[in-house]
Amino acid sequence: GAVVSQHPSWVICKSGTSVKIECRSLDFQATTMFWYRQFPKQSLMLMATSNEGSKATYEQGVEKDKFLINHASLTLSTLTVTSAHPEDSSFYICSASYVPGTSGTDTQYFGPGTRLTVL
Amino acid sequence: GEDVEQSLFLSVREGDSSVINCTYTDSSSTYLYWYKQEPGAGLQLLTYIFSNMDMKQDQRLTVLLNKKDKHLSLRIADTQTGDSAIYFCAESIKGYQKVTFGTGTKLQVIP
Repeated sequence: GAVVSQHPSWVICKSGTSVKIECRSLDFQATTMFWYRQFPKQSLMLMATSNEGSKATYEQGVEKDKFLINHASLTLSTLTVTSAHPEDSSFYICSASYVPGTSGTDTQYFGPGTRLTVL
Repeated sequence: GEDVEQSLFLSVREGDSSVINCTYTDSSSTYLYWYKQEPGAGLQLLTYIFSNMDMKQDQRLTVLLNKKDKHLSLRIADTQTGDSAIYFCAESIKGYQKVTFGTGTKLQVIP
């Protein structure tokens, strides 16, 4: 089946620094990638949708200048948390999907997640 | 907007059946999913059902869908301690579009 990887799997950083998280589709081309955030003991909330080669669409309440998303290729999307603060500590999960043609699976695949802790 | 609700907690004895319930509001939902998340881990897709189906069975898992009431349930037969996790109900309009997750149900299996 299709595999999505994330790197790093966990990161600890100091307040005020920026952190980049990568999401890669390993064996398929992802026309769309999604970024979700999960706070402890809560559900996953969609942050933004990114389509290859175009600007990301952010959900209401998500600061686009703080969470920079780049989807430069069909296999890679990056999320950069700029000037991170302790309240940004969370579990960030990406997913990747593609619009199927006459073959393929009409679904999306989730990465294993990245746990960010900001001190 | 979309809203997906679940009860927060369920406790069952090992060997019993577990039933986790979910309600959703978006009538245009076509794909309805059940995901499992173990502590500190990512999401594992357990199963999914299309909105034109009433039931789907996959080994110990049975999914029931009442589209009229927008009610989805997951039954786990012969629940094992390894089934202890948080279970998320989720929906999407198309499989490649964004997924809206429920609040999650924590399943505790008592040995």
